[in-house]
This record gives sequence, structure tokens and C-alpha cells, in this order.
Amino acid sequence: GESVGLHLPTLSVQEGDNSIINCAYSNSASDYFIWYKQESGKGPQFIIDIRSNMDKRQGQRVTVLLNKTVKHLSLQIAATQPGDSAVYFCAEISGSNDYKLSFGAGTTVTVRA
Amino acid sequence: NAGVTQTPKFQVLKTGQSMTLQCAQDMNHNSMYWYRQDPGMGLRLIYYSASEGTTDKGEVPNGYNVSRLNKREFSLRLESAAPSQTSVYFCASRVTDTQYFGPGTRLTVL
Repeated sequence: GESVGLHLPTLSVQEGDNSIINCAYSNSASDYFIWYKQESGKGPQFIIDIRSNMDKRQGQRVTVLLNKTVKHLSLQIAATQPGDSAVYFCAEISGSNDYKLSFGAGTTVTVRA
Repeated sequence: NAGVTQTPKFQVLKTGQSMTLQCAQDMNHNSMYWYRQDPGMGLRLIYYSASEGTTDKGEVPNGYNVSRLNKREFSLRLESAAPSQTSVYFCASRVTDTQYFGPGTRLTVL
């Protein structure tokens, strides 16, 4: 069936380095993608989104890249900080499903001091 | 502006007991959602409500019922709790394409 998944369950990053979190999706009809950050004991928090008619979108210290050819998106975090330690989820929506999000399993990012 | 709020934060039930998880949003959003999150997994949709007065099943609706009481409130009910329903439950509301999540309810069924 259709699914959204992340390549690696964990990522350890040195403070100050850049982080790259990857996500693969299989639903070619997906037209909207969101990255969420979930800190321990909290609900998911919106980070950045991208539509399928875009290849790249930048926010504050974050960039999302979308490669529709290989059905892959990534989240890049510049100058990773201790506060970036969290679980990161990609989620996708296809326009025909009443805006129901499909989530991947998540990548746990740990920032080393 | 509190966003999405959920009560209770924690709950322990015995098998067969019933309870209602409460969710409210003060952002005047039309759509609301209930998800569950199990260890090592992403969120899975239980039920959603596209607007006041409507509800629809999501990916994992069995064992749950919902009520969209008004535009602000969307409750999730477990009529006869089972250990398989031990999970963290998140409520969300949506504006345009973005969903905003509450802090979650951690439920344990013994």
C-alpha cells in the first residue's frame, strides 16, 4: 500500500553541524508535504511545508527539498542546536483524501554538545 | 489563544472501562482530527471531522467513537477499553493545509 517512510530511525549530529533528514514516499498522487518536529512529551509542531509544484523551500535555518522523480524529500537543518533534538516526521497529503495526513515513523535526532 | 488543548494529560484504565478524551481548539478551525501514536510509529488517524456536524473514519477507527459537539470541541470515546488501546492520543485542528496538534493524552489500559 501507499506509505511514507523515513530512511533512518536515528541521527546523531554534532552541535553546529548541518543535519539532513530523509523521507521516501510512494504515493505519486501526493501533492503536499509537511515536516513536523516532536519534542519529548509534546505534540507534533509544524516546521515547514512544500507543494508538489516546488523543488525547494526555505525557512529559518531549515530547507526542504522535494525530488518527485524518485519520490524523496529531505529536511536540512543548518547549524544544528541542542534545541533541535527531537523526533522529526514527514507527512503527506494527496488532494483527494480530505486532508488526511499520512505520517512516516520518524527520525530521532540527537545533538551532541 | 491556547491553540489546541486536550484533557486529561494522563489516564490509566482497566480493561472494559470507558472514558472520553476531550479536545478543544480556539482558532475557529473547521476540521479536527484524532490520532494515536504508538512507540516507533508515526501517527495514525482514528477519526476526523471536516466540519461541525460531520465525522468520518480514519485508518484505525475500531473501538472508538467520536462526537463533534460544536465547532470548538471534538471528543473521542472508548466504550470498552482494551490493552491494545494503550497509546498516546493527539487531537489536531486544521486551517488550509496545515494541522496543529494538541499536547496529547497518554492512556494506559491494564
